[in-house]
Amino acid sequence: AQTVTQSQPEMSVQEAETVTLSCTYDTSENNYYLFWYKQPPSRQMILVIRQEAYKQQNATENRFSVNFQKAAKSFSLKISDSQLGDTAMYFCAFMKHTGTASKLTFGTGTRLQVTL
Amino acid sequence: DGGITQSPKYLFRKEGQNVTLSCEQNLNHDAMYWYRQDPGQGLRLIYYSQIVNDFQKGDIAEGYSVSREKKESFPLTVTSAQKNPTAFYLCAIRGDNYGYTFGSGTRLTVV
Repeated sequence: AQTVTQSQPEMSVQEAETVTLSCTYDTSENNYYLFWYKQPPSRQMILVIRQEAYKQQNATENRFSVNFQKAAKSFSLKISDSQLGDTAMYFCAFMKHTGTASKLTFGTGTRLQVTL
Repeated sequence: DGGITQSPKYLFRKEGQNVTLSCEQNLNHDAMYWYRQDPGQGLRLIYYSQIVNDFQKGDIAEGYSVSREKKESFPLTVTSAQKNPTAFYLCAIRGDNYGYTFGSGTRLTVV
């Protein structure tokens, strides 16, 4: 079974600064996907970024980028130029590449507070 | 307006009562999922369905039941056998790029 670990329950960053959220996972699979989801106070889950394990290049979406270290089974999220609207719970998630049965396994989340 | 709709937004259950949470989608996707969210525990998979008239148990299926009679609908019933049902419930569909799209959730409280 896959496990996803987020070791930082809470983090705080000042507006316009950069913050990195950590995530490690455990799997024996070689082909899989990794995701970061954001859950603001509205509780709507929003996909932030996605990484395919077979791609060596780190995914980037505007101010959000990842540092994917496959051998170390590490998948951290970097948020640059933090904005107040980035305040949310952030969940790291893992999915095996097994066709239509693809299930997401989530970490316990990191609560990020962006301050003025 | 395409998307995934969960209802109701808030639901109250009395002890020993069954309640059903609705999840509807008009995105024509096959795979649908139910997750439970508790504080400090992230999201845990209850049930999932890959196709109409087929569904599988997730990690915490005890005390829950589902049906998938139509592609568009995947309702979740919280039965009286679920001893601690107070939680936030999220329905999701899997898109073409393997990412999930989530509904807005249902907050269930036992009274």
